[in-house]
Amino acid sequence: GIQVEQSPPDLILQEGANSTLRCNFSDSVNNLQWFHQNPWGQLINLFYIPSGTKQNGRLSATTVATERYSLLYISSSQTTDSGVYFCAVEGTSGSRLTFGEGTQLTVNP
Amino acid sequence: DGGITQSPKYLFRKEGQNVTLSCEQNLNHDAMYWYRQDPGQGLRLIYYSQIVNDFQKGDIAEGYSVSREKKESFPLTVTSAQKNPTAFYLCASSMRDWFTEAFFGQGTRLTVV
Repeated sequence: GIQVEQSPPDLILQEGANSTLRCNFSDSVNNLQWFHQNPWGQLINLFYIPSGTKQNGRLSATTVATERYSLLYISSSQTTDSGVYFCAVEGTSGSRLTFGEGTQLTVNP
Repeated sequence: DGGITQSPKYLFRKEGQNVTLSCEQNLNHDAMYWYRQDPGQGLRLIYYSQIVNDFQKGDIAEGYSVSREKKESFPLTVTSAQKNPTAFYLCASSMRDWFTEAFFGQGTRLTVV
């Protein structure tokens, strides 16, 4: 099946800093989503982005499907951005979202 | 508000007992999914269903069972055959079967003692 690798596994920032999270995948995809898992465990949808670039406030994402990677940008980070960020992909054969292991982000005041 | 509701949020059971986790959605989504998350790890697919009265095994289906009698509901039973049932369980749904955005419930933390 499709493999998903996220980097870095852990990231510690000071409030106000910018960061880039990366997601590499092993095959062509028809679906790619970024999620933020809050401290209570809930997965919050950030972006549905199988290709192209999207922005939502301080967050933006870019997927380069031909090169099999996606990037999540967080600008002017806030303590509330802390948590785990997951990338999940669905290959062209369908059937499931496959998740990476996540990036644990800690934003210190 | 439309969304996905999982209940209960926390569940404690004795070893050897079966337990059923509830997942209900009012988004009129066709597809529903169950994932398991262990501490510090990503999510793994247990079962999924594209239409009523039909479902397929995911990557880690052993020790679990599901039913899909209604479009809105997709309960998961953790049986005594599941060797390590203590985990965080997340239910999701999407508009069509594949290639559409998936949304998740708030999860159920199951602890077996």
